[in-house]
Amino acid sequence: SQQGEEDPQALSIQEGENATMNCSYKTSINNLQWYRQNSGRGLVHLILIRSNEREKHSGRLRVTLDTSKKSSSLLITASRAADTASYFCATDEDTDKLIFGTGTRLQVFP
Amino acid sequence: DSGVTQTPKHLITATGQRVTLRCSPRSGDLSVYWYQQSLDQGLQFLIQYYNGEERAKGNILERFSAQQFPDLHSELNLSSLELGDSALYFCASSAEEGSVFPAEAFFGQGTRLTVV
Repeated sequence: SQQGEEDPQALSIQEGENATMNCSYKTSINNLQWYRQNSGRGLVHLILIRSNEREKHSGRLRVTLDTSKKSSSLLITASRAADTASYFCATDEDTDKLIFGTGTRLQVFP
Repeated sequence: DSGVTQTPKHLITATGQRVTLRCSPRSGDLSVYWYQQSLDQGLQFLIQYYNGEERAKGNILERFSAQQFPDLHSELNLSSLELGDSALYFCASSAEEGSVFPAEAFFGQGTRLTVV
């Protein structure tokens, strides 16, 4: 399969809690991106981390990358009901293609 | 609003038919990507065009084809449709040159195809 894998597949939390999602991939990469998708709608780019970076922040988002373990994590702090969505990681291959993981469905309850 | 426009939003058609999905990239973006998202296969890369030329091919079936026109809009043609082709089809565009992994891709809202 060309896809990476996100873990967990689904996550339910209360507002205010932190949500952590993990992504594993198989090949060497130059970049890894995280996307968000509201139910049945287009993807929205959240953050990009390059292979020479270990951690990146954007607002309530924190992304880490461990190239030795071929894994990345996305942390959403102080979650809100509006964060309810599916979250995908995407990696590049040797050409300019985005290869997506299977996604984590996040449900944030008010 | 990502600036990427896909039409139609919804499409219902019968098995064996042929449909064309259209994508208008963000103004100035030369790269267009097509993806299929189905319940059982997840999000799959189909094909990429850069400035009118095919650049990369993913899991695209022979029954499917695409092209990018001089005005940079792209069309994805799906023929001899089967029930399993029912999915969301996304188009994305990027400003970056085709040989470099795009730092950011902007996605359209998708076309939901239902084959009955």
